[in-house]
Amino acid sequence: GAGVSQSPSNKVTEKGKDVELRCDPISGHTALYWYRQSLGQGLEFLIYFQGNSAPDKSGLPSDRFSAERTGGSVSTLTIQRTQQEDSAVYLCASSFRLAVGGGRAVTDTQYFGPGTRLTVL
Amino acid sequence: AQKITQTQPGMFVQEKEAVTLDCTYDTSDPSYGLFWYKQPSSGEMIFLIYQGSYDQQNATEGRYSLNFQKARKSANLVISASQLGDSAMYFCAMRRPGANNLFFGTGTRLTVIP
Repeated sequence: GAGVSQSPSNKVTEKGKDVELRCDPISGHTALYWYRQSLGQGLEFLIYFQGNSAPDKSGLPSDRFSAERTGGSVSTLTIQRTQQEDSAVYLCASSFRLAVGGGRAVTDTQYFGPGTRLTVL
Repeated sequence: AQKITQTQPGMFVQEKEAVTLDCTYDTSDPSYGLFWYKQPSSGEMIFLIYQGSYDQQNATEGRYSLNFQKARKSANLVISASQLGDSAMYFCAMRRPGANNLFFGTGTRLTVIP
């Protein structure tokens, strides 16, 4: 389909191992976001990419988390030395940013992928 | 600081009835966007409806409508003619200009009863 895809859908790893999560955004979308959703919680912002601009890393919880976006398309979220508290669903979203109303408001509908469920044992 | 509050952790509705899911928000920005997403048990976040702070009319999208009361800072989602497939978690979210991400509430779990 033409939606956001993520892989793997499930990942089980041992504490201390590194993991890589992949996101393929909707073709043509310029913005890409990573969020984390812990059990029974809302979404927590992690990182944002927009075109060739420097990413907004303000939501990354520690320096064990990093992400890159190659060629303005596919993104990889890497978690080093995983901890049990990293267990969560990692959701990727993409959007085509559009300003409306003379720039007074920004409508920027984010379309989400199915997520990667990460379990750290 | 911005904040999204969903006070109903769980709601039940009879099939074919209408239901309102509450959302209040707090922001000092004059311009912002409000979103509702549905998250079924499969986990994917599905966009439902958007309301801009300067929009004069309440947003509607099929069976979904948004009861936007700007002065009260509320953006309640109304689902008409509920269907069994509407059973899911529903999240309210806000987007501010200058912020790159959406701020999400904690969600409301809706269960549609046959």
